Amino acid sequence: EAGVAQSPRYKIIEKRQSVAFWCNPISGHATLYWYQQILGQGPKLLIQFQNNGVVDDSQLPKDRFSAERLKGVDSTLKIQPAKLEDSAVYLCASRPGSGRLTDTQYFGPGTRLTVL
Amino acid sequence: AQSVTQPDIHITVSEGASLELRCNYSYGATPYLFWYVQSPGQGLQLLLKYFSGDTLVQGIKGFEAEFKRSQSSFNLRKPSVHWSDAAEYFCAVGSFSGGYNKLIFGAGTRLAVHP
Repeated sequence: EAGVAQSPRYKIIEKRQSVAFWCNPISGHATLYWYQQILGQGPKLLIQFQNNGVVDDSQLPKDRFSAERLKGVDSTLKIQPAKLEDSAVYLCASRPGSGRLTDTQYFGPGTRLTVL
Repeated sequence: AQSVTQPDIHITVSEGASLELRCNYSYGATPYLFWYVQSPGQGLQLLLKYFSGDTLVQGIKGFEAEFKRSQSSFNLRKPSVHWSDAAEYFCAVGSFSGGYNKLIFGAGTRLAVHP
């Protein structure tokens, strides 16, 4: 079974530029998450989708971050405009079924963003 | 609010030595607890999880963890560390709110293994 795919793996941009990340979850997984992992910290949830609807975006900086999950499969996360403090690894994860706590979240390799 | 504390930022052990990584959680109800490992340049991989029942949980790669409610702890252990275990380890608690669930992670413990 293929894992969670993310691209690009690395991205370097200058502040005030825009950037987009792509995630393809494990086939059939209804729940998709985007996390931000700043160096030296644990992953922090940015947004959670259940199929193609947003169920939790309380930690998403909505003035500059946006995300969508069209057709309940792939997802994109966008930052516009980027700030220096957005430098981090952006992790995508997916989970089967209705998102019971007992379900395992499966993580992609992440996209490392550097903002100069 | 739910939270996870990993008191040790960095730990170094010799290959073959035993290992214990500490994790303390704050959660009002029965916690769902997880340990993940992150190798350089890779995503997080689940080592083990605890929901209920036996408080000693076995995981992959020879790891185990013990849930102690009285101490609000879920420490990860391995009797003999291998050089390939060098990685960052994250403890997490499952949080259920608004009808949906999410993971709250600790800051992680970076493990270095000396030959």
